[in-house]
Amino acid sequence: GIQVEQSPPDLILQEGANSTLRCNFSDSVNNLQWFHQNPWGQLINLFYIPSGTKQNGRLSATTVATERYSLLYISSSQTTDSGVYFCAVAEGAQKLVFGQGTRLTINP
Amino acid sequence: NAGVTQTPKFRVLKTGQSMTLLCAQDMNHEYMYWYRQDPGMGLRLIHYSVGEGTTAKGEVPDGYNVSRLKKQNFLLGLESAAPSQTSVYFCASSRPGLALYEQYFGPGTRLTVT
Repeated sequence: GIQVEQSPPDLILQEGANSTLRCNFSDSVNNLQWFHQNPWGQLINLFYIPSGTKQNGRLSATTVATERYSLLYISSSQTTDSGVYFCAVAEGAQKLVFGQGTRLTINP
Repeated sequence: NAGVTQTPKFRVLKTGQSMTLLCAQDMNHEYMYWYRQDPGMGLRLIHYSVGEGTTAKGEVPDGYNVSRLKKQNFLLGLESAAPSQTSVYFCASSRPGLALYEQYFGPGTRLTVT
């Protein structure tokens, strides 16, 4: 099955810093999503991005499907950005395969 | 719209007890899913359904059963709970359409089996 690797596993930054999170996947996919799991455990959809680039405020994401990776950019980090960021991919409508996540801590 | 809701939010069971987790969605989505999340890990698929009356096994189906009698509801059952089933359970739904297969998640159910 598809393998998903995220890096780095942990990231600690000061408020205002920028960060880049990476997701590598092992096979062709037609679904790639980025999620933020906040400290209360809620999963928040950030991007549905099987290819191309999208931006939403301070967050943006780029997926290069031919090279099997996706990047999530967070600019001007805020303490509310803390949590775990998951990348998940799927070949179809069924099984989303999640990476292990990147734990982001933003210190004031 | 409430989106995807889950009942209950928390539950403690003793080994051998049974329970049913309820997932409801009001987005008219065809597909529904049950995942579990263990500490420090991403989510893993337990079972899923591509339509009313249909279900299929995911990555970790053992010890669980599901039913999809109505399009808006997806039930996850534990017939005889075991400590290994202590986890956070998430339900999700998705639809065919412009953003094929994008999944939307409920708030989760935290289950502890003692």
